[in-house]
Amino acid sequence: AQKVTQAQTEISVVEKEDVTLDCVYETRDTTYYLFWYKQPPSGELVFLIRRNSFDEQNEISGRYSWNFQKSTSSFNFTITASQVVDSAVYFCALSYPYNTDKLIFGTGTRLQVFP
Amino acid sequence: DVKVTQSSRYLVKRTGEKVFLECVQDMDHENMFWYRQDPGLGLRLIYFSYDVKMKEKGDIPEGYSVSREKKERFSLILESASTNQTSMYLCASSTGRVGGRWNTEAFFGQGTRLTVV
Repeated sequence: AQKVTQAQTEISVVEKEDVTLDCVYETRDTTYYLFWYKQPPSGELVFLIRRNSFDEQNEISGRYSWNFQKSTSSFNFTITASQVVDSAVYFCALSYPYNTDKLIFGTGTRLQVFP
Repeated sequence: DVKVTQSSRYLVKRTGEKVFLECVQDMDHENMFWYRQDPGLGLRLIYFSYDVKMKEKGDIPEGYSVSREKKERFSLILESASTNQTSMYLCASSTGRVGGRWNTEAFFGQGTRLTVV
């Protein structure tokens, strides 16, 4: 079965702290894609990253970094030196089988960054 | 910039009403989606369309139907609204297959918060 688990429902940090959001997935596919989306209070989900199953290199984009480990079926997201503007709900998602653009989402992690 | 526009941010409807949620995208995307977002459940796919007049059920299609008469517009229809359909509804679009590659990123609208009383 396809499944995405985000065990952390809510995380609170103080500005400038580093924070890691966990994502664990299950899939039968050998080829799949993983995504992270950010949902700020405005409601619109914003795409952050896509990673395919053959590319296990970690990625860094400014203060954001992603750690993909197939051995543990995890795709964790770290924000370094968090800022108040990072406060949002973050969703991890997994592609459906058979090569479509449909996604299976986790339940989301609400991150609150306090000044 | 890609823009996905949902016609209403907030809607209040009565039980039994027929409800239309409209979504328009301006980037000539092939794929359009309707998701429902509920606390503790994340986003769940209701329906998916990969071309005009083509649709596919998602994980929770019961009580819903969709219409895609034009490429840019994807409507979600609640045939007879019920209180358990009170939720946030999110529309999304994506390019579809590009250069042999699927799983392009989706672009989302701001959501419609529907309350059924």
